[in-house]
Amino acid sequence: QKEVEQNSGPLSVPEGAIASLNCTYSDRGSQSFFWYRQYSGKSPELIMFIYSNGDKEDGRFTAQLNKASQYVSLLIRDSQPSDSATYLCAVYSGGYQKVTFGTGTKLQVIP
Amino acid sequence: DADVTQTPRNRITKTGKRIMLECSQTKGHDRMYWYRQDPGLGLRLIYYSFDVKDINKGEISDGYSVSRQAQAKFSLSLESAIPNQTALYFCATRFRGDTEAFFGQGTRLTVV
Repeated sequence: QKEVEQNSGPLSVPEGAIASLNCTYSDRGSQSFFWYRQYSGKSPELIMFIYSNGDKEDGRFTAQLNKASQYVSLLIRDSQPSDSATYLCAVYSGGYQKVTFGTGTKLQVIP
Repeated sequence: DADVTQTPRNRITKTGKRIMLECSQTKGHDRMYWYRQDPGLGLRLIYYSFDVKDINKGEISDGYSVSRQAQAKFSLSLESAIPNQTALYFCATRFRGDTEAFFGQGTRLTVV
């Protein structure tokens, strides 16, 4: 079992729709969860982080965390073509002092 | 100027050659990392360093070595490059704890 798992996609959504990206993790001791966006050939950039169970909203982005189910998701409302990118889920484990990345989900927003 | 700078940005080298990729940061972070990214495989950790005297192997360290010359500088070397080391390489930095990582612009390395 991979430590951090994501569906590679591509996930295709029409412009204006909600995109839902999912991530599961194996280490129950994981403390913090990050979502990075990576455009093709570019470096990843942080768009959201979440530490506590529940939802965290920032503009069109909402991160959702359920530690009991070891599941974190990212919702993008009113999806735009500029949101087309690969989204990487990253999980920090304090016990091992390391950050583990998933393989990423490619999102395509169709105009 | 970028907070995390990688040089070179692109490099084509021949099989068997030694090559060094350099990373420098102005963020004052203690932790530095080298990743490689291949299509479908995501970011894989090569080496990481918690400070100048603390260097650790990642999941795919074979064929690579590193040097932490100073808190701000972390270099990755391929002693004898081979074609399957062709990839996009990223340096990243962060503070200790559950903090975000900042990435350099990446180095696209091609071994022919």
